[in-house]
Amino acid sequence: DAGVIQSPRHEVTEMGQEVTLRCKPISGHNSLFWYRQTMMRGLELLIYFNNNVPIDDSGMPEDRFSAKMPNASFSTLKIQPSEPRDSAVYFCASSSLSGSSYNEQFFGPGTRLTVL
Amino acid sequence: QKEVEQNSGPLSVPEGAIASLNCTYSDRGSQSFFWYRQYSGKSPELIMSIYSNGDKEDGRFTAQLNKASQYVSLLIRDSQPSDSATYLCAVKDISGTYKYIFGTGTRLKVLA
Repeated sequence: DAGVIQSPRHEVTEMGQEVTLRCKPISGHNSLFWYRQTMMRGLELLIYFNNNVPIDDSGMPEDRFSAKMPNASFSTLKIQPSEPRDSAVYFCASSSLSGSSYNEQFFGPGTRLTVL
Repeated sequence: QKEVEQNSGPLSVPEGAIASLNCTYSDRGSQSFFWYRQYSGKSPELIMSIYSNGDKEDGRFTAQLNKASQYVSLLIRDSQPSDSATYLCAVKDISGTYKYIFGTGTRLKVLA
């Protein structure tokens, strides 16, 4: 089975540009998580969805960040406008919420974002 | 503020030795615990999950959970240079959400 798929794997952009990161969760999983990882701050949860509905976006740093999940197999994280301090690796993870599941999360390969 | 604490390391062990990685958590009611391995430049990979007090073994890995003392550990037997990575401890939040709270990770170096 395919794991979590993210695109692009690398993104280099200039300050002020719009950036869109994409994620396809594991088929059958109904929870999706967006994380950001930097050396300074470690792994931070930005937002997560359950059954395509945003549940907790308290980790989204500011209004420049937005996330959507229009269906069970696709999510986007958008940064507009981007700033150099947004440079990080962005991970998407998914998990299944069946009745007896303990909700193991599986990570995608990540998108390395560099904002110049 | 719910917290998961790990020693950042690096923890250096010789090849063939047992590596012991520790994690403490602040929320006494936590029920689900996970260890992830992250190689440099790669994504976190789930290697162990544990939910009950005691030991859980999987190959060279053993997870240990002590809820009374609020710690969870990961033992790696017969450590290999390929085990050199950062190990992240994660605890599932119990407030009715499905969030994980991650520690900052312990960097393990296995010396050949």
